[in-house]
Amino acid sequence: KAGVTQTPRYLIKTRGQQVTLSCSPISGHRSVSWYQQTPGQGLQFLFEYFSETQRNKGNFPGRFSGRQFSNSRSEMNVSTLELGDSALYLCASSTNSGRNEQYFGPGTRLTVT
Amino acid sequence: KNEVEQSPQNLTAQEGEFITINCSYSVGISALHWLQQHPGGGIVSLFMLSSGKKKHGRLIATINIQEKHSSLHITASHPRDSAVYICAVRSRNQFYFGTGTSLTVIP
Repeated sequence: KAGVTQTPRYLIKTRGQQVTLSCSPISGHRSVSWYQQTPGQGLQFLFEYFSETQRNKGNFPGRFSGRQFSNSRSEMNVSTLELGDSALYLCASSTNSGRNEQYFGPGTRLTVT
Repeated sequence: KNEVEQSPQNLTAQEGEFITINCSYSVGISALHWLQQHPGGGIVSLFMLSSGKKKHGRLIATINIQEKHSSLHITASHPRDSAVYICAVRSRNQFYFGTGTSLTVIP
């Protein structure tokens, strides 16, 4: 089976712009979770989708949003980018939820200038 | 206050040594995950535990639910084990992460 893929792998944006990141889960996996990793805060949970529904959400402002499509692919969007949004954004897929093993994608490294 | 605490933060070992990384958490959990992250960012899930002990090759993970504590052991460590090891817990509808343990194994 192909692993979790994320596109793009690297992205440079300007403060104030918006960005959309994409995640394709392992075939058959219906749960996709998103995480932000920064040197200062480490890994933080953004949100989790299952069967096109947001199941859980971390403590991030409303500028961070996401969605999941019927084929389980997921996108996350960050609007009005701030310098502090520079981070590695990781998605992970699993068969059901965090109670099952998660398979991580390679991440998208976002730099906001 | 961090929901998940790991120790040590940094660890240097000689090849062949037995290594232990500890994780303590303060919330009720449904599962605990041990993750490995190599330079460059890729994360691999090593174990998912809700009770007891699991073993994969040279890696062993244990969890004590009553004490809210988990350990990751690496037997006969090897330079390729050099990575950051991260403890993560699922509590209700949230995931919480430790700050990671950076392990360097010297040949």
